[in-house]
Amino acid sequence: NAGVTQTPKFQVLKTGQSMTLQCAQDMNHNSMYWYRQDPGMGLRLIYYSASEGTTDKGEVPNGYNVSRLNKREFSLRLESAAPSQTSVYFCATTGTGRNEQFFGPGTRLTVL
Amino acid sequence: AQSVTQPDIHITVSEGASLELRCNYSYGATPYLFWYVQSPGQGLQLLLKYFSGDTLVQGIKGFEAEFKRSQSSFNLRKPSVHWSDAAEYFCAVGARNYGQNFVFGPGTRLSVLP
Repeated sequence: NAGVTQTPKFQVLKTGQSMTLQCAQDMNHNSMYWYRQDPGMGLRLIYYSASEGTTDKGEVPNGYNVSRLNKREFSLRLESAAPSQTSVYFCATTGTGRNEQFFGPGTRLTVL
Repeated sequence: AQSVTQPDIHITVSEGASLELRCNYSYGATPYLFWYVQSPGQGLQLLLKYFSGDTLVQGIKGFEAEFKRSQSSFNLRKPSVHWSDAAEYFCAVGARNYGQNFVFGPGTRLSVLP
């Protein structure tokens, strides 16, 4: 039982490059979330998916797209990376009737 | 909309001393409240949560927190800090509509002196 997994752990991109961050969970949870973490700003919600087949924008969605591929997987795509997207990205999940969130280990992204 | 403030950006305490980390929230109804801890380079781990009932909640690693509705606060406490408690601590509020709208505070970094 791996919980929430994220790949890759680290990534360096050049401005304008694209990439997809992957998140998978084996907890059978309905809701999945993508956050970014920047110093002094806590975690800010980028996108979330309340259930398979639905996605919604969070606080800071610009420059990102998401796909809820199935119940287990929720990916985050940067189409044209910018230095302002240098951050640590966390995926999280929430199950039915339990509003606590379970987090993955994070992806540290640097955009040069 | 919900919001969370953590007034202390950085706190330093000596090992064995008591600890209180402050959290204030803004929400229109009784929220779900959480404290998470993040060690360097790691993800977030849930310390404790408040949903309803007893306003003093116990968590893992000897932490507790008290919900005070009149002060819109949910402060985290530990009677005796260990060096391994050095980490960043995040308070969070969740809406009672299932699965949406978690808001995290900016975090408090805890340093522990030997």
